[in-house]
Amino acid sequence: DAKTTQPPSMDCAEGRAANLPCNHSTISGNEYVYWYRQIHSQGPQYIIHGLKNNETNEMASLIITEDRKSSTLILPHATLRDTAVYYCTSPAQGAQKLVFGQGTRLTINP
Amino acid sequence: GAVVSQHPSWVICKSGTSVKIECRSLDFQATTMFWYRQFPKQSLMLMATSNEGSKATYEQGVEKDKFLINHASLTLSTLTVTSAHPEDSSFYICSASHASGRGTYEQYFGPGTRLTVT
Repeated sequence: DAKTTQPPSMDCAEGRAANLPCNHSTISGNEYVYWYRQIHSQGPQYIIHGLKNNETNEMASLIITEDRKSSTLILPHATLRDTAVYYCTSPAQGAQKLVFGQGTRLTINP
Repeated sequence: GAVVSQHPSWVICKSGTSVKIECRSLDFQATTMFWYRQFPKQSLMLMATSNEGSKATYEQGVEKDKFLINHASLTLSTLTVTSAHPEDSSFYICSASHASGRGTYEQYFGPGTRLTVT
């Protein structure tokens, strides 16, 4: 599994875009980057994943740098319900299991 | 969307007893499920990989005789905490792998089971 590094906490104002960075400098060529989030006392929720191209879905956008050593999860219009711990993870190629780091605790402020 | 359920959502048991937690994929079949444990203010720690029809694969440091895993069908995996002790009190979360159609897998997580051992 590629080692991922994220800032421990971030704040964002409600209605603004929340940009969460993740460093994965040891990622291999065919290893995907996955993002999950965990709201307090709940199971994690899948957000998005990508390999090298930018990805967008109804929840978020994922921007992966050209060298694939880092990525940014973007929540375009953050709401109070987006307050959670966000995890960036990258399973080993061909593997399904995920290893979670400490994640980023994102707080959306009114 | 893919939904995973867990039962019970919380349980309190006495020290020395065993507790079984069920994990079900409700609208898809999962040949592979995972069990995690999470202590307060910490990240999820992977305990084991549960494979349908075969033995589970445990992560280093996880006692397989204490945490029994059974994956008898494509929609059900169970975790039994045997001879539970207060230090086993934790939030147990399962997940099930679902093919994304892009040649990759997404994991869908259950809501978790809070175990308290008294």
